Amino acid sequence: EPEVTQTPSHQVTQMGQEVILRCVPISNHLYFYWYRQILGQKVEFLVSFYNNEISEKSEIFDDQFSVERPDGSNFTLKIRSTKLEDSAMYFCASSVFFGTGNTEAFFGQGTRLTVV
Amino acid sequence: DAKTTQPNSMESNEEEPVHLPCNHSTISGTDYIHWYRQLPSQGPEYVIHGLTSNVNNRMASLAIAEDRKSSTLILHRATLRDAAVYYCILRDPPLSGAGSYQLTFGKGTKLSVIP
Repeated sequence: EPEVTQTPSHQVTQMGQEVILRCVPISNHLYFYWYRQILGQKVEFLVSFYNNEISEKSEIFDDQFSVERPDGSNFTLKIRSTKLEDSAMYFCASSVFFGTGNTEAFFGQGTRLTVV
Repeated sequence: DAKTTQPNSMESNEEEPVHLPCNHSTISGTDYIHWYRQLPSQGPEYVIHGLTSNVNNRMASLAIAEDRKSSTLILHRATLRDAAVYYCILRDPPLSGAGSYQLTFGKGTKLSVIP
């Protein structure tokens, strides 16, 4: 069964460092997303991406964050200068189409980011 | 997004049916009702969705009240693998006008399955 894959599974970085989280969405999907979940808290939406541009972003997704689809298969989330509060699980998701309510999103297993 | 209300936790015995309720009294006509679940240390997983009619798939059934102000996710035979947090989410899609691409997760219902 096709799945969304994320690498690495765990990333430890020093505060102030740049980090790139990588995702390979399901191959025929067109919409891509990043969510995060701080330990013990809700899953929070960060950004959605379609046709090589951001279609929607949350207040969390500030100038420190960026997304890119550098080739036909990868989708990346970059955090330019990490802060302690960026420590969380980051989930990538993809969907064939999300314009109607009649489609579902598929999530990866997540990357645990720890900022020290 | 319209708000949903779910119990914080529920328990079920293994191999028995589980009915997970969700109230969404402010649902709009264009909102789809989606259910996702999150197993421990994993990403959210799609379970089922519907608009007005009851829905069945290999994982579960979704029963939607006639006035759409509530719904129930039914797991027909709970297994230990079904122990997870279950999220009921209303999706107002962008093509309806003011909708959104995002899924808004609440706290969900933590389901414990007793062997």
